[in-house]
Amino acid sequence: GAGVSQTPSNKVTEKGKYVELRCDPISGHTALYWYRQSLGQGPEFLIYFQGTGAADDSGLPNDRFFAVRPEGSVSTLKIQRTERGDSAVYLCASSLRGWAGGDEQFFGPGTRLTVL
Amino acid sequence: AQKVTQAQTEISVVEKEDVTLDCVYETRDTTYYLFWYKQPPSGELVFLIRRNSFDEQNEISGRYSWNFQKSTSSFNFTITASQVVDSAVYFCALSGPSNTGNQFYFGTGTSLTVIP
Repeated sequence: GAGVSQTPSNKVTEKGKYVELRCDPISGHTALYWYRQSLGQGPEFLIYFQGTGAADDSGLPNDRFFAVRPEGSVSTLKIQRTERGDSAVYLCASSLRGWAGGDEQFFGPGTRLTVL
Repeated sequence: AQKVTQAQTEISVVEKEDVTLDCVYETRDTTYYLFWYKQPPSGELVFLIRRNSFDEQNEISGRYSWNFQKSTSSFNFTITASQVVDSAVYFCALSGPSNTGNQFYFGTGTSLTVIP
């Protein structure tokens, strides 16, 4: 398929553990976004990559959250010392350009993270 | 600050009825973009439409139509002759010009149930 893919689809972990969530964007898309969606809410922005660099990480809630995109394609969202409040669906999206503004974002199916 | 308000949390209609989903936005940017996405029970956000702030023309696509009114900061979405397959959560989103970052600001969504 040519869409955005995310792995794993579900992740259950214990409080205090470290998790990594992976996003594989649409080939050729330079911009990549991470969002977090809690139950009954709209997606909330976390971080935006233009190429390999984080152009805007203002949505990361604290320093336990970190994301990388070393080769400008696949991205990994890393959460240290997970807390129960981190439980949510983590969505990844990509867009063709990003820098031009107003790009349609294509979303992946999300990773449902549950912290026990 | 950017903000999107979807005041209707849940709507139920009987099949074949028309339904309008409201979206009100706030922004200080003169250039901005508005989007509607559909999130079916499967969870993946599906792009429906993009509108930039300079284009106030209403748009119709099959049973879907959108009414953009800058004077009231609204971008409402109407489904004509609703079908069961339209049952989903619908999100309105706002993004600013590229120099303010490309993240989307989502509303809290409207859950539409179409009853057969």
